[in-house]
Amino acid sequence: DTAVSQTPKYLVTQMGNDKSIKCEQNLGHDTMYWYKQDSKKFLKIMFSYNNKELIINETVPNRFSPKSPDKAHLNLHINSLELGDSAVYFCASSQDLRGTPFFGQGTRLTVV
Amino acid sequence: KQEVTQIPAALSVPEGENLVLNCSFTDSAIYNLQWFRQDPGKGLTSLLLIQSSQREQTSGRLNASLDKSSGRSTLYIAASQPGDSATYLCACIQGGSEKLVFGKGTKLTVNP
Repeated sequence: DTAVSQTPKYLVTQMGNDKSIKCEQNLGHDTMYWYKQDSKKFLKIMFSYNNKELIINETVPNRFSPKSPDKAHLNLHINSLELGDSAVYFCASSQDLRGTPFFGQGTRLTVV
Repeated sequence: KQEVTQIPAALSVPEGENLVLNCSFTDSAIYNLQWFRQDPGKGLTSLLLIQSSQREQTSGRLNASLDKSSGRSTLYIAASQPGDSATYLCACIQGGSEKLVFGKGTKLTVNP
């Protein structure tokens, strides 16, 4: 199926650990994103990449580092996890920088 | 800085009723405005996109309008069904930006 897929779907980890979330899209899109949805369901952009180039970096702590090995993949690595990092992280892609984003199913990260 | 507000935060209606969801934005210089649907535990699905030069868009029982001068958009759902129960999010891209700014959503419950 054509889609945006992210893994894992659920991630429970202890404070201080380092973890990664992977995202892949097979839609042939040029732009990929990471969004964070907090406990109040507020959805906010974290990063966007266009053709593997970082376009948007929204005042996210340096502990968060996105990596785009190619146009179809955008991974998110998080160092030294904190309780406040608990949220649902969504990957998305769009045809271009202002196109309609297609979202993955989300990764629910719980830091204990 | 663009801010998007959605009122009400939650809405419960009986099946068959027509309803309107409201969205307002603080800066009228937008590139486009989009409505999304989010089902529990799922990612967002795009419903309608209105370019800044357009006044409305329709898809099936959904109709979205845009009034840039007043900074408002509405999503009209005709003959609501229980399957319409979800959270509806409004988002816009600021002119000169690539960043999609989301409202907090309206949680709609359609009771059979």
